[in-house]
Amino acid sequence: SQQGEEDPQALSIQEGENATMNCSYKTSINNLQWYRQNSGRGLVHLILIRSNEREKHSGRLRVTLDTSKKSSSLLITASRAADTASYFCATDGNSGYALNFGKGTSLLVTP
Amino acid sequence: DTGVSQDPRHKITKRGQNVTFRCDPISEHNRLYWYRQTLGQGPEFLTYFQNEAQLEKSRLLSDRFSAERPKGSFSTLEIQRTEQGDSAMYLCASSWALPFEQFFGPGTRLTVL
Repeated sequence: SQQGEEDPQALSIQEGENATMNCSYKTSINNLQWYRQNSGRGLVHLILIRSNEREKHSGRLRVTLDTSKKSSSLLITASRAADTASYFCATDGNSGYALNFGKGTSLLVTP
Repeated sequence: DTGVSQDPRHKITKRGQNVTFRCDPISEHNRLYWYRQTLGQGPEFLTYFQNEAQLEKSRLLSDRFSAERPKGSFSTLEIQRTEQGDSAMYLCASSWALPFEQFFGPGTRLTVL
């Protein structure tokens, strides 16, 4: 079952703009992870945020987590054409092993 | 530094045939996971191992699916009597128990004709 839901389903921006993607989930979690997937390829791990953390940064990425609202956001600043990909959030749903993914946000960055 | 590798990358088979996929995790990782991803969906968890023990297999899709990790290193996923609905990308991931970041391989794309 897919617990997470990303929003929007698709996003198109120009290079240099910021991209924000949101994720909502249903059950309590230990942590939430964001992944990137280029067309037809494996997933690349971007960032993990623990349930007791509210914000985390990695390079041009900023992730926030609001456990009271069961939601997270991924901000990509100063986007590049190479950021074009699908972005997924994944939660562990307290299992400690299985990741539950949403359907992803498809990001298109045009030059 | 080698990441997770999977073999083969693509597999085309006829309905009713058996297929086996291999996954080699990051060598230091003690956990190994299998996921399936269909078009337009996120990955779906199937099973996982800690060392050689398969600790969760109730989410394998049917009894036609089985996985092994005989020496706690590489793993195989077998699908018997394949059906067209088995066509998907099969992804393997590995991690430490803690921290929990799962690192994925490139996947094996299965097409059942």
